[in-house]
Amino acid sequence: QKEVEQNSGPLSVPEGAIASLNCTYSDRVSQSFFWYRQYSGKSPELIMSIYSNGDKEDGRFTAQLNKASQYVSLLIRDSQPSDSATYLCAVNMGSGGYNKLIFGAGTRLAVHP
Amino acid sequence: DTGVSQDPRHKITKRGQNVTFRCDPISEHNRLYWYRQTLGQGPEFLTYFQNEAQLEKSRLLSDRFSAERPKGSFSTLEIQRTEQGDSAMYLCASSPGQSFRELFFGEGSRLTVL
Repeated sequence: QKEVEQNSGPLSVPEGAIASLNCTYSDRVSQSFFWYRQYSGKSPELIMSIYSNGDKEDGRFTAQLNKASQYVSLLIRDSQPSDSATYLCAVNMGSGGYNKLIFGAGTRLAVHP
Repeated sequence: DTGVSQDPRHKITKRGQNVTFRCDPISEHNRLYWYRQTLGQGPEFLTYFQNEAQLEKSRLLSDRFSAERPKGSFSTLEIQRTEQGDSAMYLCASSPGQSFRELFFGEGSRLTVL
């Protein structure tokens, strides 16, 4: 079992729709979770971080965390063609006081006009 | 520009040659990470420095790979006797410290081994 799992996609949604991206992880003691966006040929850029169970909203983005189910998701409202990218879920699996992010393989999102 | 800087951005080399990548983290970030990313995969953790100390090294990092951060500022990643399987994007990231958990990535160094 991979440590962080995501559907590879592509997830295709029409412009203006809600895109829902999901991620599961294996380490029950993980405490911090991140969503990164990566455009083709570019480096990952942080979109959201979430540390507590529940929802966290930032503009059109909402991250949801359920530690009991070891599940984290990202909702993108009013999807735009510029949101077309690969979305990487990252889980902090560091120990001994340092942060070690383990990434999923990413979900490719395509927003079509 | 005060972001993470990596050099070179692209490197094409022949199998068996040695290559070295450099990373300059964001100023005053004491934590530095190297990741490797291949097509269609997420970044894979390679190694981690806190200041000049290399605190963890992934099993992915064979003996042909070595990383240093001699003065706790910039870091180098050297690959000796390159193989075609080493072709990937090598990403450097930095972080200010324990209380700040996000990683900030550089633009990466893309290696192609012919």
